[in-house]
Amino acid sequence: NAGVMQNPRHLVRRRGQEARLRCSPMKGHSHVYWYRQLPEEGLKFMVYLQKENIIDESGMPKERFSAEFPKEGPSILRIQQVVRGDSAAYFCASSPTGQGGDGYTFGSGTRLTVV
Amino acid sequence: AQSVTQPDIHITVSEGASLELRCNYSYGATPYLFWYVQSPGQGLQLLLKYFSGDTLVQGIKGFEAEFKRSQSSFNLRKPSVHWSDAAEYFCAVGARGSQGNLIFGKGTKLSVKP
Repeated sequence: NAGVMQNPRHLVRRRGQEARLRCSPMKGHSHVYWYRQLPEEGLKFMVYLQKENIIDESGMPKERFSAEFPKEGPSILRIQQVVRGDSAAYFCASSPTGQGGDGYTFGSGTRLTVV
Repeated sequence: AQSVTQPDIHITVSEGASLELRCNYSYGATPYLFWYVQSPGQGLQLLLKYFSGDTLVQGIKGFEAEFKRSQSSFNLRKPSVHWSDAAEYFCAVGARGSQGNLIFGKGTKLSVKP
């Protein structure tokens, strides 16, 4: 039973380009969360999705960031027109029920570097 | 506002020594409580979690944590540290009945001396 799969592991983008980060949840998990980890910081919640629905995007920057979790395929976090401040590790987690007590399973993250 | 505080940014202990990592939370009610460990360049692995019942929780790799409601604390302990325990440790809280997003502390980096 594969865990949460994220790809790519490392992504380098020039300022102004688009970054696409992918996350495949654990088998049987239909709840996906995206978190961002800046250097020397803990993880900050960005968005919570279920299949085809955004449940909570209160942690997403208002511009340039979007997320989806289609009926088929992985969840995608898209960052348009990246800037240096977007450089961070982006983690995806999944859970079976979406309840606060699940305790997620995390992926290994995508480390985005904007040059 | 909900928050999690890990007062120690960096701790160094000798191999074989005991360890305690502190975590305090600010929350309206008793939340779910978690400890995660992150090795360099890796994702987060769940060490243990508290939902209800016995306030002393056993986790993987010989770790345990104690929930103290009166102190709003959930400190992580290990009686004898191994060199492989060197990593960053994150405390997190989740709201009961919520949509599941967690609030994380800023982490404590553990170094282990031989």
